[in-house]
Amino acid sequence: QSVLTQPPSASGTPGQRVTISCSGSSSNIGSNTVSWYQQLPGTAPKLLIYNNDQRPSGVPDRFSGSKSGASASLAISGLQSEDEANYFCASWDDSLNGVFGGGTKLTVL
Amino acid sequence: EVQLVESGGGLVKPGGSLRLSCAASGFTFSSYSMNWVRQAPGMGLEWVSSIGGDSNYISYADSVKGRFTISRDNAKNSLYLQMNSLRAADTAVYYCARLLTTRNGYNLDYWGQGILVTVSS
Repeated sequence: QSVLTQPPSASGTPGQRVTISCSGSSSNIGSNTVSWYQQLPGTAPKLLIYNNDQRPSGVPDRFSGSKSGASASLAISGLQSEDEANYFCASWDDSLNGVFGGGTKLTVL
Repeated sequence: EVQLVESGGGLVKPGGSLRLSCAASGFTFSSYSMNWVRQAPGMGLEWVSSIGGDSNYISYADSVKGRFTISRDNAKNSLYLQMNSLRAADTAVYYCARLLTTRNGYNLDYWGQGILVTVSS
């Protein structure tokens, strides 16, 4: 049982816009920033969004993040086949322990 | 280029011990907090432990507290995880990850490739 709640799956067709939600509480997302990670099959997670809405260098601007209260979301616009992956949200609790969502498997139809 | 390379994984019997290492390069290791995160087969990510840049701060997930010990050697640019009293539930790929601390928050910005630990009789 993960601390943060994500839908287990999401899907879209090429070119479409999809969003993935991440729900937490006042003791984690509500008081700390959120990051998002993309994990392709058999590889390590890769930082996609940090500090709620910032993109590391090299991440396409098709990926965007937002946070409101104790929830956050990741949006992917102009969906591409290579976006098919697992996406995880993460934050920190009041004791500065890491917390993760269970992951959302994105399928590009 | 930032690189994190884990080693020391393998098959161990329940109740046994294992020590994971993570060799860091491409950045000033002592300036960053480091973390261990694990992923059981087919499952999500689970944060395991954190250690401050000068080992001034250490924390553990409740699931490993009292059994695992995180440490680091800044002279060797290395992070460690000593795992004792291992259980089947500890079977996972273990990742070391660097903590990016900004004015606005904390983020795990670089991850190693992961190392598999299997606990089975």
